[in-house]
Amino acid sequence: AQTVTQSQPEMSVQEAETVTLSCTYDTSESDYYLFWYKQPPSRQMILVIRQEAYKQQNATENRFSVNFQKAAKSFSLKISDSQLGDAAMYFCASSNSGYALNFGKGTSLLVTP
Amino acid sequence: DAGVTQSPTHLIKTRGQQVTLRCSPKSGHDTVSWYQQALGQGPQFIFQYYEEEERQRGNFPDRFSGHQFPNYSSELNVNALLLGDSALYLCASRRVDGANVLTFGAGSRLTVL
Repeated sequence: AQTVTQSQPEMSVQEAETVTLSCTYDTSESDYYLFWYKQPPSRQMILVIRQEAYKQQNATENRFSVNFQKAAKSFSLKISDSQLGDAAMYFCASSNSGYALNFGKGTSLLVTP
Repeated sequence: DAGVTQSPTHLIKTRGQQVTLRCSPKSGHDTVSWYQQALGQGPQFIFQYYEEEERQRGNFPDRFSGHQFPNYSSELNVNALLLGDSALYLCASRRVDGANVLTFGAGSRLTVL
């Protein structure tokens, strides 16, 4: 079974600053995927970034990037130049080859002007 | 291009009743999965449907059942409702041969009194 742990229930960042959200996971699989999803008050889960475990290069999507440490089973999300619209719940998740996602409990991100 | 649509958005039931939630996947998607998100928690996988069959199931009792129709839409049924079934129910879709990326709907908020 896969488990995902997010140790930061809440984080706060000032507009234009950088923030890092932490995530650790546990899996016995060799082939798996890792994700960060954003859930704003509208409730719809939105994919932020995806990482394939066999790729050593860290994924990036505009202002969002990850630090994937496979040996340490760590997958943190860095948000650069934070914007007010980044405020939301952020969930880290893992998956084996296209099947069920295992989510962490989430980190609530507050962005202050 | 319509994304994943779910209905109803909100509903209230009493203990012991039955509920049916509906989901229409994103155009071009053929695989539908359902997640339960309790308040303050990350989503938990219920089951996944492909070609009108349940392909994978999470740790949920038989009171939770589903169906997928030939047009790929899906229903989630919950019998003998318990107070603990109160949650946001999320539907997600993907193409079975596509990248491992889910598109989520905005969910159905179920309250059991």
